[in-house]
Amino acid sequence: DAGITQSPRHKVTETGTPVTLRCHQTENHRYMYWYRQDPGHGLRLIHYSYGVKDTDKGEVSDGYSVSRSKTEDFLLTLESATSSQTSVYFCAISDSPPSGRNTGELFFGEGSRLTVL
Amino acid sequence: DAKTTQPNSMESNEEEPVHLPCNHSTISGTDYIHWYRQLPSQGPEYVIHGLTSNVNNRMASLAIAEDRKSSTLILHRATLRDAAVYYCILRDRSGGSNYKLTFGKGTLLTVNP
Repeated sequence: DAGITQSPRHKVTETGTPVTLRCHQTENHRYMYWYRQDPGHGLRLIHYSYGVKDTDKGEVSDGYSVSRSKTEDFLLTLESATSSQTSVYFCAISDSPPSGRNTGELFFGEGSRLTVL
Repeated sequence: DAKTTQPNSMESNEEEPVHLPCNHSTISGTDYIHWYRQLPSQGPEYVIHGLTSNVNNRMASLAIAEDRKSSTLILHRATLRDAAVYYCILRDRSGGSNYKLTFGKGTLLTVNP
């Protein structure tokens, strides 16, 4: 199994408070991703990173920011959590984009369940 | 991005083959067809991928239509552990932002004992 650790795994917080989720990998993979998963919406990409300090927005980036100061860590921050950000958050990593030889396979963490009251 | 269409749900019996369809009529010549699945309470995992030819691995087979506008994931003998949401995804191999993976809602496969 790919070495991906998400923390915290479960968190309950109140509206308006800041929250940071951490994704830590031991695979030295270049690419890292944050997804959220909600009933009826499937998995949606929030932000992704293609290298240290190189990040970009996904399809649902409003209200979220990310940082990647080291290869192994990708942080997702909710500056002021809202109830609409209650979700399960998944981190994923990959070592390459898809090409003739590489699948570009993504490896996912176990998820972080966030509840915003 | 090219889109995929999958049935919301399918049901199968244990030990029987399962054929999960996916339509991707706007697929481009540079798109790979990828399948992932998500077991209950877990993150998605890679199943198989292909470009033009049918593919087999230890988990499943992928049958790709000649015009590439549809594909079918085949589980040869479903087990209870195959109950999951199966995602069919197109990934551009030509470059640019092809390292992103965009998931749809997938097909929820129920396996009956």
